[in-house]
Amino acid sequence: ETGVTQTPRHLVMGMTNKKSLKCEQHLGHNAMYWYKQSAKKPLELMFVYNFKEQTENNSVPSRFSPECPNSSHLFLHLHTLQPEDSALYLCASSQDPTRRGSRTDTQYFGPGTRLTVL
Amino acid sequence: EDQVTQSPEALRLQEGESSSLNCSYTVSGLRGLFWYRQDPGKGPEFLFTLYSAGEEKEKERLKATLTKKESFLHITAPKPEDSATYLCAVQVRQGGFSSGSARQLTFGSGTQLTVLP
Repeated sequence: ETGVTQTPRHLVMGMTNKKSLKCEQHLGHNAMYWYKQSAKKPLELMFVYNFKEQTENNSVPSRFSPECPNSSHLFLHLHTLQPEDSALYLCASSQDPTRRGSRTDTQYFGPGTRLTVL
Repeated sequence: EDQVTQSPEALRLQEGESSSLNCSYTVSGLRGLFWYRQDPGKGPEFLFTLYSAGEEKEKERLKATLTKKESFLHITAPKPEDSATYLCAVQVRQGGFSSGSARQLTFGSGTQLTVLP
């Protein structure tokens, strides 16, 4: 496997179900992200993990629960979702520019999980 | 508040018809501007990063340029396989490289490009 992988690619769930999305990066990066992409809307950042620690939570409802057990894996646990949560969920990773003078860190995306909440 | 606006929303070109996509931004301090390509049902694919006004980068039929207020993605003699949604995103300067906030990308809504054979 190379790059950023996500499973499952498609998920249909009822409002009372509990499911998890998985992301794995094979790039040796130390930062990982969850984004939500809804139709006709820009990508929305949900969570940021840096060295396994959550450093950003953009006012995401508690029915979304992230987990980052190590720098290569990222999960998004889902429970009691609403139909408006149906979207493409994207995972990304980047390498923290730890050295002074490094300009920025490019984020590389996985293929996404298409989630449908009935 | 950081804002990114892409235009046009959709663009249809004949094969070989060159054009440009626009990304205008309003940010407190630009750290980097990114261009991605996204095919239907897939994740964004990284194309370019631009850091400062006057910078240009090229890849095959694509050329990205940057000014202090906007970026252009020029497509020269496009082919049908260039059809995709092109996304622009900005990253702003924050305190410290390890700050989560420093990593946030603010995306535009994208330009959906269709190249007809």
